[in-house]
Parts: sequence; structure tokens; C-alpha cells
Amino acid sequence: KNQVEQSPQSLIILEGKNCTLQCNYTVSPFSNLRWYKQDTGRGPVSLTIMTFSENTKSNGRYTATLDADTKQSSLHITASQLSDSASYICVVTSGGSYIPTFGRGTSLIVHP
Amino acid sequence: DADVTQTPRNRITKTGKRIMLECSQTKGHDRMYWYRQDPGLGLRLIYYSFDVKDINKGEISDGYSVSRQAQAKFSLSLESAIPNQTALYFCATKDRADGAQYFGPGTRLLVL
Repeated sequence: KNQVEQSPQSLIILEGKNCTLQCNYTVSPFSNLRWYKQDTGRGPVSLTIMTFSENTKSNGRYTATLDADTKQSSLHITASQLSDSASYICVVTSGGSYIPTFGRGTSLIVHP
Repeated sequence: DADVTQTPRNRITKTGKRIMLECSQTKGHDRMYWYRQDPGLGLRLIYYSFDVKDINKGEISDGYSVSRQAQAKFSLSLESAIPNQTALYFCATKDRADGAQYFGPGTRLLVL
């Protein structure tokens, strides 16, 4: 069964600090992995997409990495801001399927 | 104007009532999805549709039905609402080209 596990479940950091969120998956065959940001009370919004051949991709202060061999991804947030407070969801799609598998998300709180 | 809209945004209903949640999109995407989100759980797929004549069950379709009235419209119905259907419901569309899902703002449903 395809699964996506995220850690930590929740994280509290001070404004200006960096943090890293983890995602492990068992989806096979792998097609792509996306990180979404979900603000409270809103729908998720795509931050980055990683395909099999990509190791790193950045979107402003967000940097995603992918290790397809170990089936792990991370999302690194640099110089956190209050507006980064949200849930971050890892989503993996398998090849030949158009149904993504969602992780439960990591809830990030950035304190001033 | 929002690309994916959902109505109503909030709804309170009683056990046994039939209700319909509506989703409209202006993105021109063929693929549409209905998810529910519960606290501490990831997004779970209820139904999805790849075009007007295509309807598919997701992992938690029991107690729900859908109608794809047009490419731009995808409705979710609860035939006889029960309290454990209290949740946040999201509609999403998917771009065939880049695979990102675009989510609506969500409908918060409370079944008493």
C-alpha cells in the first residue's frame, strides 16, 4: 500500500530560525513528489515539485530535496517568517496513476 | 476571482438530512477531486472525475455521491448526513500538464 509519512507532526520555532521537515514514502513506482503549504482555513497550495532525476529545488526561502534511493524528501525553510506558520503537506504520485498519496502534514508555528 | 470556488463555505445540518456541496472552476482542467480533511489526518479522497462522463470512487466514498454536471462543475452530495461526516471538505482540480492540484477554499460542514 502506498504511504507517505511526515515528521515531525508539529514544530515550533522562533522567527528568523531555519527548520527542516521530513517526508518518507513507499509509493511505487515513483512519478513525482510535491510539497504543499496549507494556511489555516484554506486549501493547500503547491510549493515545489520533484521528479525522479531532481535532487534539489528551491522556491524562495523554501528548498526541497529528494533522495529517490532511500525514498526520502525534506523541505528546508530558511530565515523563517511569521507567515510561514502553516501545515506543510508532502504528496507523492505514482507513475501511471493520477491519484496522489497525501501525508498527514507537519504543523509549523513560527513565534516572534 | 478565485479559480476554484466552493459553496457553501460553512454549513450546519442535522443527522439524516441530504446536502450538496458545490464546486466550480475556471481553470479549464479536466480532472476534479473531492477530499475531506479531519484534524490530525491527511486529506482523504472521496471521489474523482477525469472528465464529464467519468466518475470514480476514492478511498472513503461510502455515504457520498457526486455529479459532474459539466467540465467546470463537480458536486458532492451526502445522501443522509451523519455526525462523523463533520469535516472540512475540499474540491481540487488538476492540470494534466504539470500535475499540480489546485484546491478550493474548503467547506466546513457540521452535522448535528
